[in-house]
Amino acid sequence: EAQVTQNPRYLITVTGKKLTVTCSQNMNHEYMSWYRQDPGLGLRQIYYSMNVEVTDKGDVPEGYKVSRKEKRNFPLILESPSPNQTSLYFCASSNRGQGGNEQFFGPGTRLTVL
Amino acid sequence: AQSVTQLDSHVSVSEGTPVLLRCNYSSSYSPSLFWYVQHPNKGLQLLLKYTSAATLVKGINGFEAEFKKSETSFHLTKPSAHMSDAAEYFCVVSDPFATSGTYKYIFGTGTRLKVLA
Repeated sequence: EAQVTQNPRYLITVTGKKLTVTCSQNMNHEYMSWYRQDPGLGLRQIYYSMNVEVTDKGDVPEGYKVSRKEKRNFPLILESPSPNQTSLYFCASSNRGQGGNEQFFGPGTRLTVL
Repeated sequence: AQSVTQLDSHVSVSEGTPVLLRCNYSSSYSPSLFWYVQHPNKGLQLLLKYTSAATLVKGINGFEAEFKKSETSFHLTKPSAHMSDAAEYFCVVSDPFATSGTYKYIFGTGTRLKVLA
């Protein structure tokens, strides 16, 4: 089944404790992206990747890192999480990042930073 | 800069009546436009997309949207609401960076649709 998977689905952590949220897709998509969803703000793009070893900042990249060493994986790293990073996170993928292509979304990761 | 405005944060309709969710966009380029739906505690699912073909786009579950360039709008409609349509809906514009060839996807803030029995 074609899908985007994220782990963990739920995470409660404390300020400053490094964490990684994994994202994997099995559709051979070149383009992958991370979003955060906050009430009243919609989804905002954190980082995106056009292909392996190619990443770029979205609209809200501060406090986050990403890497794209393999085509299927695009982990999101929070080196020193803070409470303002409490949010619902979505990973997405699509073909070649061309504007007309549908993004496929993972199920989401709900992160709470205490 | 590209942007998307969803004009209503909440919409309530009675079951069996028409649905209208409004979206206006701003884009310097020929945009691609999407509507996604998010049911409670679920991920996002594509309803429909416009990519410079027919201006009236039909999607899943009886939804459709019309691209109106002169009004910079892409409103989502459905003739008859069903209880299962209760969800949050997002209008999205793709934001092509012509020089680099990369694209961003810009989301509206969402419209929560409530369907009354």
